[in-house]
Amino acid sequence: AQTVTQSQPEMSVQEAETVTLSCTYDTSESDYYLFWYKQPPSRQMILVIRQEAYKQQNATENRFSVNFQKAAKSFSLKISDSQLGDAAMYFCAYRRNTGNQFYFGTGTSLTVIP
Amino acid sequence: GAGVSQSPSNKVTEKGKDVELRCDPISGHTALYWYRQSLGQGLEFLIYFQGNSAPDKSGLPSDRFSAERTGGSVSTLTIQRTQQEDSAVYLCASSLYQGEGYTFGSGTRLTVV
Repeated sequence: AQTVTQSQPEMSVQEAETVTLSCTYDTSESDYYLFWYKQPPSRQMILVIRQEAYKQQNATENRFSVNFQKAAKSFSLKISDSQLGDAAMYFCAYRRNTGNQFYFGTGTSLTVIP
Repeated sequence: GAGVSQSPSNKVTEKGKDVELRCDPISGHTALYWYRQSLGQGLEFLIYFQGNSAPDKSGLPSDRFSAERTGGSVSTLTIQRTQQEDSAVYLCASSLYQGEGYTFGSGTRLTVV
């Protein structure tokens, strides 16, 4: 079974600093996708970044980047130059290449301190 | 529309009543998903629709839950004889291709009293 683990229920970061959110997953598949989603108080889940498992290069989207370690089954999210608007719940998610559903972690609540 | 629209935004119902939750996906998106998010939990998969194929209902927690998608567009999630444990945020998402990142709606917060 696929499981996604986020071991940090809460994190905080000073504005303009860098923070890393952890995610590990368990799978026997070799081809899959990994995602980070942000959920602000509005409840709408927003896709932050996406990584294909077959790509060795880490995905980057502006201030957001990932450290994808396939052998270790680790997929951490780094937020650089943190902004107040980054405060939200962050969910890590996994999807098999041929599967229908995404598997989500339990989330990390990020607080940005002015 | 420009995004995934869900209605109502909030719903309070009495235990034992039936409720219907609606999802309007992005026009042209063939894949539609329903998830449930309970307080302090991650997202729990409920059901998946892909085009005209039979839906994947493997995540529905009981036979009180059902969903349909009419004309490959709007979807309705129905919960019969609601129980307090059904209280949660119900999120709908759609995507253009299976496996692409979802676009989520803002969810319906269901409270069963």
